[in-house]
Amino acid sequence: SQQGEEDPQALSIQEGENATMNCSYKTSINNLQWYRQNSGRGLVHLILIRSNEREKHSGRLRVTLDTSKKSSSLLITASRAADTASYFCATDPWSMQGGSEKLVFGKGMKLTVNP
Amino acid sequence: EPEVTQTPSHQVTQMGQEVILRCVPISNHLYFYWYRQILGQKVEFLVSFYNNEISEKSEIFDDQFSVERPDGSNFTLKIRSTKLEDSAMYFCASSFSETGRDTFGSGTRLTVV
Repeated sequence: SQQGEEDPQALSIQEGENATMNCSYKTSINNLQWYRQNSGRGLVHLILIRSNEREKHSGRLRVTLDTSKKSSSLLITASRAADTASYFCATDPWSMQGGSEKLVFGKGMKLTVNP
Repeated sequence: EPEVTQTPSHQVTQMGQEVILRCVPISNHLYFYWYRQILGQKVEFLVSFYNNEISEKSEIFDDQFSVERPDGSNFTLKIRSTKLEDSAMYFCASSFSETGRDTFGSGTRLTVV
């Protein structure tokens, strides 16, 4: 399996419900970032959580990080139809030689919020 | 909020032709990247650039590809002799530090016919 895998692959919910997406990864990391992508469009940065942080909030977003389990979750509360998009986690792998400078993306999770 | 700007947004080119994809990173950023996303697939790292040289590249980034920062603002990706399989969305990104937030541009959709 790949570094940065989102689970589930697709999620369909009703407006107002919460959406939880999970991401697992394999190597040690400096940070983990979540991005959103509307169909065929650019990547929008949502939130960055560093390896020494356990939880972070930004508006309706809550991200958790469990480095012992090498996993992260993104919670979107009170979802809206406009939240419909693909969501990616991306890890910044740690190496003894210093930062690897690249992000390793998961395959993405397609969220559909029905009005 | 500062943005990474990419041009063009769409490019169609014939197989075998050379293309140059352009990016203007955020002005005070020091690290620059190119990624690509083949339709329906994951975003893949191509190359990182720091201090006027390539600092890391993936297996995808072969001799067909090159990057350049010709002046203080632009960052370009050149693909020589394009192949059909080069069709993808190409994203430029920049960051201020190695482990900081990476800001992505809106991408250039390259179609090789």
